[in-house]
Amino acid sequence: DTAVSQTPKYLVTQMGNDKSIKCEQNLGHDTMYWYKQDSKKFLKIMFSYNNKELIINETVPNRFSPKSPDKAHLNLHINSLELGDSAVYFCASTDRGEEKLFFGSGTQLSVL
Amino acid sequence: QKEVEQNSGPLSVPEGAIASLNCTYSDRGSQSFFWYRQYSGKSPELIMFIYSNGDKEDGRFTAQLNKASQYVSLLIRDSQPSDSATYLCAVSRNEKLTFGTGTRLTIIP
Repeated sequence: DTAVSQTPKYLVTQMGNDKSIKCEQNLGHDTMYWYKQDSKKFLKIMFSYNNKELIINETVPNRFSPKSPDKAHLNLHINSLELGDSAVYFCASTDRGEEKLFFGSGTQLSVL
Repeated sequence: QKEVEQNSGPLSVPEGAIASLNCTYSDRGSQSFFWYRQYSGKSPELIMFIYSNGDKEDGRFTAQLNKASQYVSLLIRDSQPSDSATYLCAVSRNEKLTFGTGTRLTIIP
């Protein structure tokens, strides 16, 4: 049983395309996150949702739009993909106030 | 100044020795401190957390926190080849977790 699952694992696409990454957790957590890890391994928070409500929105281009249909799901849609968007995107979850993150296996996005 | 700083390494340690990983942070209001381990091509996994000044031990791992110096460290005793990974320091304030760039540790058999 995978606790935090992301799909797809790999995503290769052309500049200018629109793509989505999905995330689901079965841990019963109420808070979910999207992190971006660049080629130098720097892991940077993008968004955080608690019970479907956006609570953290870092300085991210508005081409990135998260959506949380319920507290177990957090999806990330990216419009007009750029070369600089190439990275590994990690979904994570926790219970609010716990701060111990459980990460998904990551989505390797390559923009050509 | 980066919010969370780590020496990127690589840090090479002989098998059986003690590996010492260091991290400094800039926000004095940071409340919680974490060490995550990330194997190549895998996701980060939490190995230690510490909230108070002093030492916290869990098996071969010891986390040390000095809030006055804004310094967190991780000691790994009796290092094993399976400890070879990137270690990410993270600090938290108001539910926002900020990561360092990680230290790549290699244990030499």
